[in-house]
Amino acid sequence: DTEVTQTPKHLVMGMTNKKSLKCEQHMGHRAMYWYKQKAKKPPELMFVYSYEKLSINESVPSRFSPECPNSSLLNLHLHALQPEDSALYLCASSVGERGRGQPYEQYFGPGTRLTVT
Amino acid sequence: GNSVTQMEGPVTLSEEAFLTINCTYTATGYPSLFWYVQYPGEGLQLLLKATKADDKGSNKGFEATYRKETTSFHLEKGSVQVSDSAVYFCALSPSGGYNKLIFGAGTRLAVHP
Repeated sequence: DTEVTQTPKHLVMGMTNKKSLKCEQHMGHRAMYWYKQKAKKPPELMFVYSYEKLSINESVPSRFSPECPNSSLLNLHLHALQPEDSALYLCASSVGERGRGQPYEQYFGPGTRLTVT
Repeated sequence: GNSVTQMEGPVTLSEEAFLTINCTYTATGYPSLFWYVQYPGEGLQLLLKATKADDKGSNKGFEATYRKETTSFHLEKGSVQVSDSAVYFCALSPSGGYNKLIFGAGTRLAVHP
């Protein structure tokens, strides 16, 4: 099973709402990632979790709050978002970050399309 | 710094035509290189990868060779199909540090029957 699942598929929220995105993998991977992808642009890394600990935050605003409750699950909590935060949010996972000096390949989920009104 | 430059699209081809999508990179050391494909409304799928100079990655008829001397990783396919229509992203992961993918802008491919 090489699947990363994400829920919900679509989400519309107001600027005062609190919502969460969920990502799950059952491949035994120990590194998980959140990316943001605007229309017609490449994905941009937001956060990296390694062994359930946050290892990288790419200077993401605090209105985005990641959480890794266990090795299979990654959440992204959203609060007080702005319309410009509307995007496709992609989750990815990999075996680990690096093995024998080489990066492990990342497997992506289908994404959650978020619209902030 | 690290960066990836891809040819601008869209690339429009007829079925069974030869495909080349150019990708060049700037990086220190020996990055790993990847091609990802994104079909409409979907996430990214890893198409192929290469981790050292002169490595050739291949998958589903697509190929790319890691050329250190020209800092390039061009994607090729001998005969494209309508089902290959998608956006293709070239990406690198820098040597050392954490596992970060740096993507090119993406190239949209449209294949017509």
